[in-house]
Amino acid sequence: QQQVKQSPQSLIVQKGGISIINCAYENTAFDYFPWYQQFPGKGPALLIAIRPDVSEKKEGRFTISFNKSAKQFSLHIMDSQPGDSATYFCAASRGGNFNKFYFGSGTKLNVKP
Amino acid sequence: SAVISQKPSRDICQRGTSLTIQCQVDSQVTMMFWYRQQPGQSLTLIATANQGSEATYESGFVIDKFPISRPNLTFSTLTVSNMSPEDSSIYLCSAGYGLAGFYEQYFGPGTRLTVT
Repeated sequence: QQQVKQSPQSLIVQKGGISIINCAYENTAFDYFPWYQQFPGKGPALLIAIRPDVSEKKEGRFTISFNKSAKQFSLHIMDSQPGDSATYFCAASRGGNFNKFYFGSGTKLNVKP
Repeated sequence: SAVISQKPSRDICQRGTSLTIQCQVDSQVTMMFWYRQQPGQSLTLIATANQGSEATYESGFVIDKFPISRPNLTFSTLTVSNMSPEDSSIYLCSAGYGLAGFYEQYFGPGTRLTVT
């Protein structure tokens, strides 16, 4: 059973546009939701993360929106740039005691100049 | 954030042989993790390595095939034993940094393994 479902699988956005990637989870015990960015040939890099006590978190052009009742969270990339072209993974975990992360299937973003 | 390095960055190995992948973290961490990632796919957790105790393996992964060492708080190794072409993949280590009841994971650059 897939704990975190991510969509879309791939996304093409024009430079300057908004990229939106969505994730949904089932386990209501999850309380930490990070997003990772991975460039080809590199390891995933922690981009931004949110805990369910807030509905939104913004860092620069990257924003996480969190809907606890719907068990959904999404990544918004404002003013998307070609340098943002990468694969993005959402994840979820239960806090404390180094519980495992459950990763989404990934979204390959291509920002066209 | 953490600086995590892995050696080797890539290797081509013959079936039946073993390869040990090293992971070095620039600061002490309680927990380290080993993942496998097929090209274009998501991350699959192999095992969790806590210093001073046996690694905890996920379903489908066994210690005889993927022995892990964790001799100190900054270093871990993963061995891929008796390799077959199906073991060709990217192997990633990560380090867990605890923060107020939850933790963040930071990943190394990965080791690209090809088994012929």
